[in-house]
Amino acid sequence: DADVTQTPRNRITKTGKRIMLECSQTKGHDRMYWYRQDPGLGLRLIYYSFDVKDINKGEISDGYSVSRQAQAKFSLSLESAIPNQTALYFCATGQGRVGQETQYFGPGTRLLVL
Amino acid sequence: KQEVTQIPAALSVPEGENLVLNCSFTDSAIYNLQWFRQDPGKGLTSLLLIQSSQREQTSGRLNASLDKSSGRSTLYIAASQPGDSATYLCAVRRLSYNTDKLIFGTGTRLQVFP
Repeated sequence: DADVTQTPRNRITKTGKRIMLECSQTKGHDRMYWYRQDPGLGLRLIYYSFDVKDINKGEISDGYSVSRQAQAKFSLSLESAIPNQTALYFCATGQGRVGQETQYFGPGTRLLVL
Repeated sequence: KQEVTQIPAALSVPEGENLVLNCSFTDSAIYNLQWFRQDPGKGLTSLLLIQSSQREQTSGRLNASLDKSSGRSTLYIAASQPGDSATYLCAVRRLSYNTDKLIFGTGTRLQVFP
């Protein structure tokens, strides 16, 4: 969805490097999410944010941190990248009342950690 | 812990065939279930959402069913077309404080050839 953008789209980095993945949205949604996708494992939730002041860990937050700089921006950082963080990363926004939420996904960032 | 499995992992069919994709989940205490489509280089697009109280939902050539007691959902695609080629993901939704949590399946990669 063009309303949710992710940069970079592809990134190769080395073990131990700090990197940041960025997500921007023009939908005006309060909720934002970061997922990672691995072959055979589906998407798993890393962090989520209800609004600028509310950030929560997902099921696999170890080794990651996030920053919600504004309603429209939600960044994911890998403080010291390791090879098993090689994956496809998706940002998503959410709208709608609880239980009826529709999530809109960005195009993904493919990360390779050497 | 909720686990969501999709079978088959990959499927290749000729154009025009009717086909069924399967999704199984281990914990029947779900709020609803959603089917997504994932195209290479793009994010996920929501196809159908079935509430836990519903048996099925239809959209065009797509029909999704839900049997909560047995922990199963199927996505039926009628008269398949090459444009249906994509990865299909199911996700179950469980309620958590103030936001939805989606638990994704492992996906079925579908190829429809002319």
